[in-house]
Amino acid sequence: GAVVSQHPSWVICKSGTSVKIECRSLDFQATTMFWYRQFPKQSLMLMATSNEGSKATYEQGVEKDKFLINHASLTLSTLTVTSAHPEDSSFYICSATTSGGSTDTQYFGPGTRLTVL
Amino acid sequence: GDSVTQMEGPVTLSEEAFLTINCTYTATGYPSLFWYVQYPGEGLQLLLKATKADDKGSNKGFEATYRKETTSFHLEKGSVQVSDSAVYFCALSAQAGTALIFGKGTTLSVSS
Repeated sequence: GAVVSQHPSWVICKSGTSVKIECRSLDFQATTMFWYRQFPKQSLMLMATSNEGSKATYEQGVEKDKFLINHASLTLSTLTVTSAHPEDSSFYICSATTSGGSTDTQYFGPGTRLTVL
Repeated sequence: GDSVTQMEGPVTLSEEAFLTINCTYTATGYPSLFWYVQYPGEGLQLLLKATKADDKGSNKGFEATYRKETTSFHLEKGSVQVSDSAVYFCALSAQAGTALIFGKGTTLSVSS
């Protein structure tokens, strides 16, 4: 089946630094990738939709200058948390949809746990 | 806007008990409906899905039927196992290729 990977799986950083999270579709091309954020014991909240070769679309309340998203190829999207602060600590999850067709199944990465000290 | 409501947990069952996790949705149009499972320390995995009314999704003994008249997609399993302990998320997609809207998740704990 379709596999999505994320790297790193966990990261600890100091307040004020930037952290980059990669999301890759390993065996399919993904024209669209989504970035979600999950707080402890809560549901996933969509942060942004990333389309290959175009600017990401951010959900209301998500700071686009703080959460930089780049979708440089059909298999890679990156999320950079700039000037991270403790309140940015969370579980970040990406998902990808296969390109073309009518399928709307999303394949999720294993997530990245970010802890900002 | 579109939304998903699922029963609050945690749900605690003994092995071989019957499981029902309720899920209802609000959406314009005809969304696709999904159940995802998240095992401890892991990412979300698609458990089953249904794309139109009266469709039944099934996988690993779990079932859910897309009921348009009651806007529901309840998850059921006849006999749960300890290995089914996880968090279960109901979700909808308004149209193909769009982001999923998730319920808050229901934690299932099965004891032997």
